Amino acid sequence: QQPVQSPQAVILREGEDAVINCSSSKALYSVHWYRQKHGEAPVFLMILLKGGEQKGHEKISASFNEKKQQSSLYLTASQLSYSGTYFCGTRPLRDSNYQLIWGAGTKLIIKP
Amino acid sequence: DTEVTQTPKHLVMGMTNKKSLKCEQHMGHRAMYWYKQKAKKPPELMFVYSYEKLSINESVPSRFSPECPNSSLLNLHLHALQPEDSALYLCASSQGRWSSGNTDTQYFGPGTRLTVL
Repeated sequence: QQPVQSPQAVILREGEDAVINCSSSKALYSVHWYRQKHGEAPVFLMILLKGGEQKGHEKISASFNEKKQQSSLYLTASQLSYSGTYFCGTRPLRDSNYQLIWGAGTKLIIKP
Repeated sequence: DTEVTQTPKHLVMGMTNKKSLKCEQHMGHRAMYWYKQKAKKPPELMFVYSYEKLSINESVPSRFSPECPNSSLLNLHLHALQPEDSALYLCASSQGRWSSGNTDTQYFGPGTRLTVL
């Protein structure tokens, strides 16, 4: 089952903060976050492996709540370059297929 | 270096043409992927090669034919496509499921924008 991302879209002013959520109905081994700009390939941001683990990438960080099967991506003091569509890819804990299951994406628009 | 290269960047073909998409990586990755992506949608997995063997075929029509000549190269042969096959075709690679201690992060190439007339 596809993980649910929320919100579907968000519009921010430069310097504002945003949170993007990714929820799965399955127990997860990992959550992968990617950003894709229009007409370009998805770019890997970070991976979350353990419950409660947080990782950071510049002013972008993420957490993984293992009990809730939910990951959140935090963008602080957003920059124009943060615009794009953010996808989470989840890898279920017990899945012989071992492939990423992608969320539908969250479109982030940053205005100056 | 996390570079995956794809050629061509753009391709326009008729429904009777035969063409091929190419993908290359030199990261020593043992898993390679083909994805199809429509506008405003997430990537849709088509094929996975693991250690140069086709491990996953997500019920893709036979007009798409993958080939993995060696661990660095991945091709997608196209024949008798339909207009609805127009999309961005993405190649990705990862270390592979059985690599010890790895998280199997997928790295994407820039994609081929395919238009079928």
